Amino acid sequence: NAGVMQNPRHLVRRRGQEARLRCSPMKGHSHVYWYRQLPEEGLKFMVYLQKENIIDESGMPKERFSAEFPKEGPSILRIQQVVRGDSAAYFCASSPWDSANTGELFFGEGSRLTVL
Amino acid sequence: DQQVKQNSPSLSVQEGRISILNCDYTNSMFDYFLWYKKYPAEGPTFLISISSIKDKNEDGRFTVFLNKSAKHLSLHIVPSQPGDSAVYFCAASVADSGYALNFGKGTSLLVTP
Repeated sequence: NAGVMQNPRHLVRRRGQEARLRCSPMKGHSHVYWYRQLPEEGLKFMVYLQKENIIDESGMPKERFSAEFPKEGPSILRIQQVVRGDSAAYFCASSPWDSANTGELFFGEGSRLTVL
Repeated sequence: DQQVKQNSPSLSVQEGRISILNCDYTNSMFDYFLWYKKYPAEGPTFLISISSIKDKNEDGRFTVFLNKSAKHLSLHIVPSQPGDSAVYFCAASVADSGYALNFGKGTSLLVTP
C-alpha cells in the first residue's frame, strides 16, 4: 500500500538551472495534483492532471513552469531557469475518481527545492 | 490574497482537554471545507470535512463546526492526545473545483501530557 511517492525529497539548484520533480500517485489513482508551499504560507494549488491531459493549470505560473503526466511513468513538474523565489516545498497529491471533486486528496511527503 | 486565514500560529493544550482550532474565510463562493493534519517531514493528511449545507460534522474525537454567516469554521478535538500534536491546516474549495484547495497557513498544536 505505497502512498504517493515524490522524489527527490530535497533538491538544490543554482539560479538559471532546471529543476525536475517527480511524483508517482497511489496505486489505482488516476488524478494528480501539484501544490506549492512558500515559506510561511499555506499550500497553493498549481495544476491538476490526468494521464496525458492537463485538466486545470490555473494556479501555475505562466512562464518557466510546466507539468506532465505521461501514459507511462510518474508525473513531472519542471521548472526552467529557476530563481530564488522558486525555493519552496512542492507537494504532489493524488485521488481516485470519486474523490476528485471533494478535496480529499492524498499527499506525498513533498520535495523541498532550494535555489542558491 | 489569503482567502483562508488561521490567525493563531500555535496552540498548546493539556492532554485530555479540548483543543479548538479556528479558521476564517473571505470567499462566499466556498462550499466545501476541510481540515488536514501534517506531521514534520510528512505530507498533509485529510482529517475531516464539511459541506456548506451543514453546520456540524463529527468523526470520533473530531468535530468541525461551520458558521456561514460569520464565514468561520472551527475544529474541536476532545479529548486531546499527545499524538494529536501536529500542524492543522484549514482548507476550502468552490463547487466543481474541489481539488483546487485554498489552504490557511496552519496552526501548530502541541498537546502536553
